[in-house]
Amino acid sequence: NAGVTQTPKFQVLKTGQSMTLQCAQDMNHNSMYWYRQDPGMGLRLIYYSASEGTTDKGEVPNGYNVSRLNKREFSLRLESAAPSQTSVYFCASSARDRWAFFGQGTRLTVV
Amino acid sequence: GQSLEQPSEVTAVEGAIVQINCTYQTSGFYGLSWYQQHDGGAPTFLSYNALDGLEETGRFSSFLSRSDSYGYLLLQELQMKDSASYFCAVLDNYGQNFVFGPGTRLSVLP
Repeated sequence: NAGVTQTPKFQVLKTGQSMTLQCAQDMNHNSMYWYRQDPGMGLRLIYYSASEGTTDKGEVPNGYNVSRLNKREFSLRLESAAPSQTSVYFCASSARDRWAFFGQGTRLTVV
Repeated sequence: GQSLEQPSEVTAVEGAIVQINCTYQTSGFYGLSWYQQHDGGAPTFLSYNALDGLEETGRFSSFLSRSDSYGYLLLQELQMKDSASYFCAVLDNYGQNFVFGPGTRLSVLP
């Protein structure tokens, strides 16, 4: 049982480059999330998807876009990366009113 | 909106018991969950409370008092490997996404 799988695990981008972070879950969960975590900080919600076909902004959505491709997959896109987007990104999924399962994270550095 | 408070750091010795508190302010309440995160790792689920009282899972227990908007995570028989950050989280007003506390860094000393 893989749970939540994120790719890539590490990425270095130059300012202005674009990239897509991929996330897939095999637990048949309706809800999926993207968080970012900066050093010594908690988790801040970027976007979430409560069900297939719906997405909503979280606390820090600027500079990001998302796609809920199907029930399993939820991708996060950086159109024009900035140094302020250097962070660790976590994808998560959950059954409603329960707890969250996290992917292993993507460490992104923008230079 | 939602807000959660946790102590920033807690230190204890191996074999001891430690309690990490979490207070929350929400307009609605759907449950309190707890997560462990080791340095360089991902958060992993530890425990969940939807109703008042104590939930026990091995060495870890979690308590909730909805009337006090308060919960805690209790770690018993501490081991060095328990050194990590611990986060509490609640679902938002619509029950659609998780809001996390700032985290408590636990250091277990030999």
